[in-house]
Amino acid sequence: LAKTTQPISMDSYEGQEVNITCSHNNIATNDYITWYQQFPSQGPRFIIQGYKTKVTNEVASLFIPADRKSSTLSLPRVSLSDTAVYYCLVGDSPRQASGGSYIPTFGRGTSLIVHP
Amino acid sequence: SQTIHQWPATLVQPVGSPLSLECTVEGTSNPNLYWYRQAAGRGLQLLFYSVGIGQISSEVPQNLSASRPQDRQFILSSKKLLLSDSGFYLCAAHGVFGPGTRLTVL
Repeated sequence: LAKTTQPISMDSYEGQEVNITCSHNNIATNDYITWYQQFPSQGPRFIIQGYKTKVTNEVASLFIPADRKSSTLSLPRVSLSDTAVYYCLVGDSPRQASGGSYIPTFGRGTSLIVHP
Repeated sequence: SQTIHQWPATLVQPVGSPLSLECTVEGTSNPNLYWYRQAAGRGLQLLFYSVGIGQISSEVPQNLSASRPQDRQFILSSKKLLLSDSGFYLCAAHGVFGPGTRLTVL
């Protein structure tokens, strides 16, 4: 099971772009990279998932270099409501169909605080 | 799309009392189900997972237990709560999390 390393905390200001990098040196060939967002007293919420290169959706972009040993979650023009903890996971897709033995494992995540 | 329900939303229990938290899943069948616990200011700790009815795997030794009596029902229990059982309990399936149960043991 690939381990991940993220910064414990980050600070930013409204309107700025925020990039959170996750290191996963032991990522396996079939592993996906998935990012979650968690607000206080709520369950984590899926943000984005990718396997290689770049993925973009309405919320964020995910950049994955060719060696896949790291990934960067990019949040464009953050607002106060983006203050949350962001988790990086590697492994099978947590959204896969039933079966399999993959267990989504969460580290401490990155606590992002957006200031006015 | 699937929906995960958890209840109760909050619970305050005395030390030594029993516990039963329920999780039900809608919109999918035969899901892998997971119970996580999050202590204040900490990450998510996997407690149990289940790949099918009656099949439970425990990740961490503790005084908690889990059961899966139906395909889309996952129950977390304890016979005697400890102060250290306080936390935020989350049920998950297919990468989707429920709203959680905030448990305070006094």
